Amino acid sequence: NAGVTQTPKFQVLKTGQSMTLQCAQDMNHEYMSWYRQDPGMGLRLIHYSVGAGITDQGEVPNGYNVSRSTTEDFPLRLLSAAPSQTSVYFCASKERQENFGELFFGEGSRLTVL
Amino acid sequence: AQKVTQAQTEISVVEKEDVTLDCVYETRDTTYYLFWYKQPPSGELVFLIRRNSFDEQNEISGRYSWNFQKSTSSFNFTITASQVVDSAVYFCALSVRRGAGGGNKLTFGTGTQLKVEL
Repeated sequence: NAGVTQTPKFQVLKTGQSMTLQCAQDMNHEYMSWYRQDPGMGLRLIHYSVGAGITDQGEVPNGYNVSRSTTEDFPLRLLSAAPSQTSVYFCASKERQENFGELFFGEGSRLTVL
Repeated sequence: AQKVTQAQTEISVVEKEDVTLDCVYETRDTTYYLFWYKQPPSGELVFLIRRNSFDEQNEISGRYSWNFQKSTSSFNFTITASQVVDSAVYFCALSVRRGAGGGNKLTFGTGTQLKVEL
């Protein structure tokens, strides 16, 4: 059981480049989310999805796009990377939105924007 | 709005010492859940415990214990007889119940870096 899988684990971009962070889960979870972790800031919610075709903004959505075409996948897109987006990104899922169970996290993706 | 405060940025202890990590939360909701996660140096986030607002019983799991006090809005985490393997960043988090479409988003504190030395 792979759980939540994120790729790539490391990425370096130049300002203005675009890229997609991939996230896949094999637990048939309805709820998926993306967080970013910055020093002294904890984890902040970027976007989340409560099911295929349904997404919504979190606390810090600017500069990021998401889509949810399948239950399993929830990619995070940076259309024009900025140095402020240098961070560690975590994808997380849980069974259902209204479920207060634990979030299952991926191993993280470290992104550096030069 | 929800808020979680972990005032201790970094704590250093010597192995076998007991250590308490503080967590103070703010919410106007009466139904909420509190969590602790551990982030070891390898970077992944590991779930430790969940507690709902109606259950103020303290919990003990091996060397770990949690003290939930609604009167002070605190959910503190104690490690007894700390070990080097306990070195990690520990996050406290809060989730409140919302209606349809509101989402039960997790609000994290800024984390406490625990260093356990020999």
